[in-house]
Amino acid sequence: DAGVIQSPRHEVTEMGQEVTLRCKPISGHDYLFWYRQTMMRGLELLIYFNNNVPIDDSGMPEDRFSAKMPNASFSTLKIQPSEPRDSAVYFCASSTSRWARKFGELFFGEGSRLTVL
Amino acid sequence: GQQLNQSPQSMFIQEGEDVSMNCTSSSIFNTWLWYKQEPGEGPVLLIALYKAGELTSNGRLTAQFGITRKDSFLNISASIPSDVGIYFCAGSLDPRPYGGATNKLIFGTGTLLAVQP
Repeated sequence: DAGVIQSPRHEVTEMGQEVTLRCKPISGHDYLFWYRQTMMRGLELLIYFNNNVPIDDSGMPEDRFSAKMPNASFSTLKIQPSEPRDSAVYFCASSTSRWARKFGELFFGEGSRLTVL
Repeated sequence: GQQLNQSPQSMFIQEGEDVSMNCTSSSIFNTWLWYKQEPGEGPVLLIALYKAGELTSNGRLTAQFGITRKDSFLNISASIPSDVGIYFCAGSLDPRPYGGATNKLIFGTGTLLAVQP
């Protein structure tokens, strides 16, 4: 089975440009998470979806960040306009609630490393 | 965002040594999880614990769910070079079947493990 697929793996852009990160969760998983990882702040939850509906977006830094999940097999995280402090590795992860306890058993993608110059 | 406190922050050991690390929280969780992250990859789930006091093993790894539900421990026996990586604890609070609140999943600050052959 394919795991969580993220693209692009690496993105280098200039300040002010729009960045779109993409994620395909594992088929059948009904939870999707976006995390940001930096040396200073560790793994931060940005937003998570359940059945394509955003449940908790309290971790989204500011209005420049937005996330969508138009269907069960695709999600995007958009930053517009990007700033140097957005440089980080962004992870997408998915899990299933088929068994209630499994919510926290996440399958992570390989991450998208973003560098904003 | 909120993070769990992990200790130690880093460990540099010789191959064959045993390793212990722990994670503490001011909040209770009903699930504790341990993940490992290798360079350039996303975290991978190692062990999930669902009951206070539970002790679970996965090969050379053993993890325990603290009785107070506010802490967890991970031990690695007879370490080998491929154990190198960052180990993260995570606490999950699934409010179901009580309903109302959303699920919570919080990650620890990580423990960097280096193993010298």
